[in-house]
Amino acid sequence: AQTVTQSQPEMSVQEAETVTLSCTYDTSESDYYLFWYKQPPSRQMILVIRQEAYKQQNATENRFSVNFQKAAKSFSLKISDSQLGDAAMYFCAYRSASKEFYFGTGTSLTVIP
Amino acid sequence: DGGITQSPKYLFRKEGQNVTLSCEQNLNHDAMYWYRQDPGQGLRLIYYSQIVNDFQKGDIAEGYSVSREKKESFPLTVTSAQKNPTAFYLCASSIDDPTTGDILYYTEAFFGQGTRLTVV
Repeated sequence: AQTVTQSQPEMSVQEAETVTLSCTYDTSESDYYLFWYKQPPSRQMILVIRQEAYKQQNATENRFSVNFQKAAKSFSLKISDSQLGDAAMYFCAYRSASKEFYFGTGTSLTVIP
Repeated sequence: DGGITQSPKYLFRKEGQNVTLSCEQNLNHDAMYWYRQDPGQGLRLIYYSQIVNDFQKGDIAEGYSVSREKKESFPLTVTSAQKNPTAFYLCASSIDDPTTGDILYYTEAFFGQGTRLTVV
């Protein structure tokens, strides 16, 4: 089975600053999808951004962008101009060719006013 | 509005009892999933189903059972054999095309609001 590793259990950032959350994964497949999900205190999982492995261009969604390094199997999330509403647990996820989703253990992000 | 509905939001179970968690979606998704979330362990896959009347075990299926009689519904039963059932359970669904297996049809998972199960 594929594994997804988030090595930062907790991170903090000053409001309006930039923070980067790390994610690495282990796979032997060439085609797959990667995702970042946000889980606020309500515990509803919300998709933040996704990346197709066959695309070299890094995905961007407003203040959220990724740094996808396929050879290094790295998929970090950058949050620019951090806002109080960004405080949440963030999960990195991998979707394999066998269609299952694998999740990391999460990074708890605190935004300091 | 389309979405996934899990019920109930909170559930209490006495030791030795079976309990069933409901998950219904009206997104016309083929694939459905059940995850268990414990502090510090992320989301762990219990069962998943890619098509009606078919499902596969995930990493932690012991003590759980599922059925997929309708495309819209994927209930999870937590049996008395599950020794530590207290957790937060998430149901998800996604577009899938098991007949072609084409990666281009894959999309993200959509999640329900979750069910918090507590053994009392």
